[in-house]
Amino acid sequence: GAGVSQSPSNKVTEKGKDVELRCDPISGHTALYWYRQSLGQGLEFLIYFQGNSAPDKSGLPSDRFSAERTGGSVSTLTIQRTQQEDSAVYLCASSLNNSPLHFGNGTRLTVT
Amino acid sequence: ILNVEQSPQSLHVQEGDSTNFTCSFPSSNFYALHWYRWETAKSPEALFVMTLNGDEKKKGRISATLNTKEGYSYLYIKGSQPEDSATYLCAPFYSNYQLIWGAGTKLIIKP
Repeated sequence: GAGVSQSPSNKVTEKGKDVELRCDPISGHTALYWYRQSLGQGLEFLIYFQGNSAPDKSGLPSDRFSAERTGGSVSTLTIQRTQQEDSAVYLCASSLNNSPLHFGNGTRLTVT
Repeated sequence: ILNVEQSPQSLHVQEGDSTNFTCSFPSSNFYALHWYRWETAKSPEALFVMTLNGDEKKKGRISATLNTKEGYSYLYIKGSQPEDSATYLCAPFYSNYQLIWGAGTKLIIKP
């Protein structure tokens, strides 16, 4: 595709349920980032994948959060036992080396 | 811990006026500097990537300069328009692949 694709665009879930958010990066981009933006806040780094290297998971807020990137392409961010404070817009971005990041449109997650 | 500072935090500018703001960053192991524009309810959009000391880039009414020795970059907007209202983020990229984000400068253009 032409850009970074994220799905779903909106997700409403009940507290305690698990959710999976998907990111399809630009083909050939070796770097993939997950960020989130809570209401009124800036970009919060979650996790970073670079090629075949071990991911940088230093931004994951708790062990309920995990992410994988299969075959160096599509990535899935999983949140287990969702809490209300997990409500945010989750943004995925991809890039090639130090080129600009291309962001997807985000997934707006609402935990009720 | 690498600290990136952007100032001011927010800025109100009259339509038609020119403005500028600053990004300061640690210069050790610096590789490139990214500037992004982030409009409300949208995703961040890249403006510039700069790598060399003394680099100057321009896109329409927006330009940026880079000083890698002292670790700062300026973003300039000439003749501000309402559509320039956004948060402007800088993010230095380091040789260990770390991309560190500033908190942004929120620019509001008053008609």
